[in-house]
This record gives sequence, C-alpha cells and structure tokens, in this order.
Amino acid sequence: DQQVKQNSPSLSVQEGRISILNCDYTNSMFDYFLWYKKYPAEGPTFLISISSIKDKNEDGRFTVFLNKSAKHLSLHIVPSQPGDSAVYFCAASGKGGGNKLTFGTGTQLKVEL
Amino acid sequence: DTAVSQTPKYLVTQMGNDKSIKCEQNLGHDTMYWYKQDSKKFLKIMFSYNNKELIINETVPNRFSPKSPDKAHLNLHINSLELGDSAVYFCASSPVGGAWDTQYFGPGTRLTVL
Repeated sequence: DQQVKQNSPSLSVQEGRISILNCDYTNSMFDYFLWYKKYPAEGPTFLISISSIKDKNEDGRFTVFLNKSAKHLSLHIVPSQPGDSAVYFCAASGKGGGNKLTFGTGTQLKVEL
Repeated sequence: DTAVSQTPKYLVTQMGNDKSIKCEQNLGHDTMYWYKQDSKKFLKIMFSYNNKELIINETVPNRFSPKSPDKAHLNLHINSLELGDSAVYFCASSPVGGAWDTQYFGPGTRLTVL
C-alpha cells in the first residue's frame, strides 16, 4: 500500500526556470512532510519540511506548499540551477513527526543549461 | 569527516550466504535506523534503535538482525541471503527518534545476491 506517491519519475527544466515537484499522500494521519534530495552514490539529505498546521514553508530558493484537503504537496525550486539535478524524495510521518517515515519513490530532476 | 559511514559500499554474494553491513555515526545521535531501497526505488524503514534499544521493527524477515554494540554503531546481519534481498541499504541517524529533519543518511550499501 503506497501511502506517499510521486507520480512523475522524472522532470527536466531549463536553468533559471521554476521546477515543480509533486507528491500525493493517502493517509490522513500524516501531519509532517519533508523533502529529501539525493545525489548518485550518496544518501538522501534533508531539504525542507512543513507541518500540517501550515500551508507554505520557504527556505531560500525552495518552497513547499501543502494542500491538506487535496492531500497534495509540492516543492518549488526557483530559479533552478544545474546543481539541483538530483532525485527528490517526498516523505511523510504521523503524530507530530514521531513514529516512522514513509517515503515516495522519488522524482529525478534534471536542470539543463 | 564523514557523519554516517557504512561498510562495505558494495557487496556481491551468493544465495544462502550470511553477510553483515556495518554502520557508524560520529554525530553523537541517540537514534539510528536501517532503510532498504528496493529495485522499484521504494525507500522503506526496517529498524530503528534508540540508545541501543530497538524501537521500530517493521515486518522484516527474521533473517535480518540488527545489532547495536553502542549508540554510535548499528550493524545489520543478514542470514541465508535470498535473491529478493538485493537492494541498497541505507543507515541513518538522528538526535532523537522522529527528528526527521535532522536525520543524516549514510552513502548506502548496494547488496547484490546472485
């Protein structure tokens, strides 16, 4: 049962444009959401998070939006840079961040010159 | 200076063998985890240890046995390896359990069972 879904396995954008990565979840008990970034041959690294009490969180070029009614979140990267090329994983947890973390299958972002 | 390290990076072995993957963190974290990323790219938690005590044990075959000699180490022993065990295994740590935004991952160990 895949509770966190990233339906786009890959995305290609031009340098300087906006990258939008999407994530859907099915479990209404999830209340904390995170994005991780992963380069080849490395482990995932934390990028940005959002609690269900908010609908937006911003950190520099990265913004995460949460739509609880649609059970949907998105990561916006603007402007996109070649160094942003990586796999992005959406993840979710319940009960205020405790318990376990459930990951999506990732979206491969390629930022082209 | 690597925060979370795993050895080996690659492991190729025959079905039926027993193997171990070692993990060490130098961050002073209390909680360590093992994750499995399968061929479909699902990254799924297997175990969580807090200060050497097992906290999370997902539905993992009992051929997998984590061992934590101290809070800086969490090793993964796998007995009677099967083809389906082929995956990338990631170790991770966080200051306390559930501190997901301060969770650090190791580089992964790619296990191939022939």
